[in-house]
Amino acid sequence: DAGVTQSPTHLIKTRGQQVTLRCSPKSGHDTVSWYQQALGQGPQFIFQYYEEEERQRGNFPDRFSGHQFPNYSSELNVNALLLGDSALYLCASSLFTGTVSTDTQYFGPGTRLTVL
Amino acid sequence: AQRVTQPEKLLSVFKGAPVELKCNYSYSGSPELFWYVQYSRQRLQLLLRHISRESIKGFTADLNKGETSFHLKKPFAQEEDSAMYYCALMRTSYDKVIFGPGTSLSVIP
Repeated sequence: DAGVTQSPTHLIKTRGQQVTLRCSPKSGHDTVSWYQQALGQGPQFIFQYYEEEERQRGNFPDRFSGHQFPNYSSELNVNALLLGDSALYLCASSLFTGTVSTDTQYFGPGTRLTVL
Repeated sequence: AQRVTQPEKLLSVFKGAPVELKCNYSYSGSPELFWYVQYSRQRLQLLLRHISRESIKGFTADLNKGETSFHLKKPFAQEEDSAMYYCALMRTSYDKVIFGPGTSLSVIP
């Protein structure tokens, strides 16, 4: 099991463009969460997908949207890119058991997005 | 609002010395607390979680509800412990993970 995988590894875009990042969860996991990690900061929660629905959302504008597919993989889309969107975007997967003691999130290596 | 603070951005200790990375949280309920670690050029990974009461790589963490703290400790630091450490909180199952800003630990040989 390769664990959580993300693509691409790096991405360079210009202001105003749109970007799509992809995530494949760890085998057996059904929940995907996305985080933004700016340089020198801890990861910030963007949103979480479960059963192809957005279950929770952090304080991010509507420019950030996502999707989960029937195979549990997920995409993060960001429209109208701003310079401030430059960050490492992390995907985390988990298996929803309803018990906090077992709902551990496993992280992917991240996608480094640079907006020029 | 729930919040995790780590007062030290950088921490340097000598090899063999004890190390303590501080973490405080604000939450009125009973959260699940974690320590995540990120070694150079590696992904973020779970080091330990409060509910497991494990000792991983010699690290332990005790939850002090009165002080709302979850400090990470190791009696004898090793060079391979040099990494970025994040304290994190989760309120319920399927909840988001709330991370602190992180502490960069450097173990001096």
